[in-house]
Amino acid sequence: GAGVSQSPSNKVTEKGKDVELRCDPISGHTALYWYRQSLGQGLEFLIYFQGNSAPDKSGLPSDRFSAERTGGSVSTLTIQRTQQEDSAVYLCASSLQADRDFSYEQYFGPGTRLTVT
Amino acid sequence: TQLLEQSPQFLSIQEGENLTVYCNSSSVFSSLQWYRQEPGEGPVLLVTVVTGGEVKKLKRLTFQFGDARKDSSLHITAAQPGDTGLYLCRGAGNNRKLIWGLGTSLAVNP
Repeated sequence: GAGVSQSPSNKVTEKGKDVELRCDPISGHTALYWYRQSLGQGLEFLIYFQGNSAPDKSGLPSDRFSAERTGGSVSTLTIQRTQQEDSAVYLCASSLQADRDFSYEQYFGPGTRLTVT
Repeated sequence: TQLLEQSPQFLSIQEGENLTVYCNSSSVFSSLQWYRQEPGEGPVLLVTVVTGGEVKKLKRLTFQFGDARKDSSLHITAAQPGDTGLYLCRGAGNNRKLIWGLGTSLAVNP
């Protein structure tokens, strides 16, 4: 596709349910990033993938959060037993690759707005 | 903990005015990036600065990286309504963590 796509664009779920968010990066981009953006909190870096590997998962907020990437392309971010504080916009980005300083331009998707009621 | 502090948090100006927004830290960053984000969309990269003292210009936007690589500024000349958006700075911190400022929300009124 022409850009990074994310689905769903909006998700409303009940507290305690599991949700799965999907990101389709730009074709040929080997690096993929997940962020969370909340009002007053700014952009929070969650995890990145180089290929199918996530070198550092320590940015994930809790063990209820997990992410996978398969085939060096699509990635899913899964949140188990959702809590109200998980409500936020979840943004995905991709870049050609990831170097030491993450200097490669990151192209962002439009985000998934998650609301936990 | 490395932080990037942006100021002002909110800015509302009239078309044609000049403005400067700031991104400051007590830590040294090897590079800083500036992004602009519009409602309902992801951030879009404007510029990357890597050398202390570096100045980059993008049409009416001028970006400067501090000599000590701890701070950066974005100056907009003759602001236009199309400049409205959230301006974010981002640095690559220690241990390969991406650190973002909270942003400056700019509104340019016609």
